[in-house]
Amino acid sequence: QVQLQESGPGLVKPSETLSLTCTVSGGSISSYYWSWIRQPPGKGLEWIGYIYYNGNTKYNPSLTSRLTISVDTPKNEFSLKLSSVTVADTAVYYCARVGTTTALGFDCWGQGTLVTVSS
Amino acid sequence: IQMTQSPSSLSASVGDRVTITCRASQSMNSYLNWYQQQPRKAPKLLIYAASNLQSGVPSRFSGSGSGTDFTLTISSLQPEDFATYYCQQTYTPPWTFGQGTKVEIK
Repeated sequence: QVQLQESGPGLVKPSETLSLTCTVSGGSISSYYWSWIRQPPGKGLEWIGYIYYNGNTKYNPSLTSRLTISVDTPKNEFSLKLSSVTVADTAVYYCARVGTTTALGFDCWGQGTLVTVSS
Repeated sequence: IQMTQSPSSLSASVGDRVTITCRASQSMNSYLNWYQQQPRKAPKLLIYAASNLQSGVPSRFSGSGSGTDFTLTISSLQPEDFATYYCQQTYTPPWTFGQGTKVEIK
């Protein structure tokens, strides 16, 4: 059974870069799309972007200028970097498996990690 | 594509039939998914491609619709179904979620 686990700092200072990694276990990262989603405290879900196992990416236009998503297939993990963060970037960040096609939904999620932006 | 769910919240009793609606700002074929989120938990996929039940999800959940109008139905509400439900389109990036519908106990 595939499992996803987010890791990274829980506290980031304003103007710095938020970096998270999602480690995939119990299955291969190949042949799937992988995504990042975030949820500010008490609010709804926001799609951040996706990466295909071959490295192709698509980002939310609201974050494109600050966002990089990358994949490391030998390590079976993918990562998110969000630069120049502000308090508005405080959220629970989830990684998720999209499936072999984008029509299949996000069928497997990490537990989520809270990232707080504060000085 | 903007996704609008209705209602934003509802109160229902165990055994009730519950219907949640999701409307898209433009036609999106059937690239519509439904998720359930319990407090402090990650979302869980219930329905993909508008009407396909995800493996392991109880059959009391069903989805329908195409184009711009979609529906999630819970045929007989169970205690574990009190949660927030989100629709999501994966037809075209940016993939967007509805604002959520909170199902509460009456």
